[in-house]
Amino acid sequence: DTAVSQTPKYLVTQMGNDKSIKCEQNLGHDTMYWYKQDSKKFLKIMFSYNNKELIINETVPNRFSPKSPDKAHLNLHINSLELGDSAVYFCASSQGGRDTQYFGPGTRLTVL
Amino acid sequence: AQRVTQPEKLLSVFKGAPVELKCNYSYSGSPELFWYVQYSRQRLQLLLRHISRESIKGFTADLNKGETSFHLKKPFAQEEDSAMYYCALSLSSGGSYIPTFGRGTSLIVHP
Repeated sequence: DTAVSQTPKYLVTQMGNDKSIKCEQNLGHDTMYWYKQDSKKFLKIMFSYNNKELIINETVPNRFSPKSPDKAHLNLHINSLELGDSAVYFCASSQGGRDTQYFGPGTRLTVL
Repeated sequence: AQRVTQPEKLLSVFKGAPVELKCNYSYSGSPELFWYVQYSRQRLQLLLRHISRESIKGFTADLNKGETSFHLKKPFAQEEDSAMYYCALSLSSGGSYIPTFGRGTSLIVHP
C-alpha cells in the first residue's frame, strides 16, 4: 500500500548512457514532481507536472525529460549521463501545488 | 533569488536541550509553509505545516509574518530527532504553485 514508489532504488551506469527512473503514486493526486538531492543534501526541484502543465526548472539541462503516461505515473528520462548527474532523485506527489507533498523512497544514481 | 533561507547547515545539541531550527522566507503573497524531515536513508516526510497549527513529535512552528519567519522549535530534544530538516514554501508561478525548499539543517542530538 505504498503511496509513492520509485524504481530502481539504485542505478549505477557509465557516462554517456541513457537511463530512466519510474515513479508511481496511488494517492489520486493531480500533481507530481521530480527532485534532485546532491551530496550536500541540497534539494532542488526539477519538474512539476499535472495533467495541464509542465513546469520546468530552467536550470535543468534538456538531457532530462519527464514523461507521464497517465496521472499516476511520472517517469524521468536522462540522456547522455554525466558524472555530475550522480545524486539521489526523489519523486513526489501532491493534490495541487499548495498541499503536502508525499515523497518516494529515492533513487540513488551513480554515474561512473 | 533565494525564497527560503535556513541559515544553519548544522545544529548540534545535547539530549534534553531546547532546539530551534530557523527558517526565513521571502514572498509577497499569502505563504503556505511546511517543515519536512528526512531521517537517515529514508524518504522525506511532512513534519508539520503552518495552517494545521499542530504539535508533531513535540515540535511546533509559528508563522511570523512580520519577521517572515517560520522557525521550528522543540523544548527538549531527543536522540531520535537527529535528522535533516527542510523548510518549504509554495510559491505562486503563473497560476500554479511551485514548492521551494531551503537548503536544509542537519540536527544532531547527542546523548
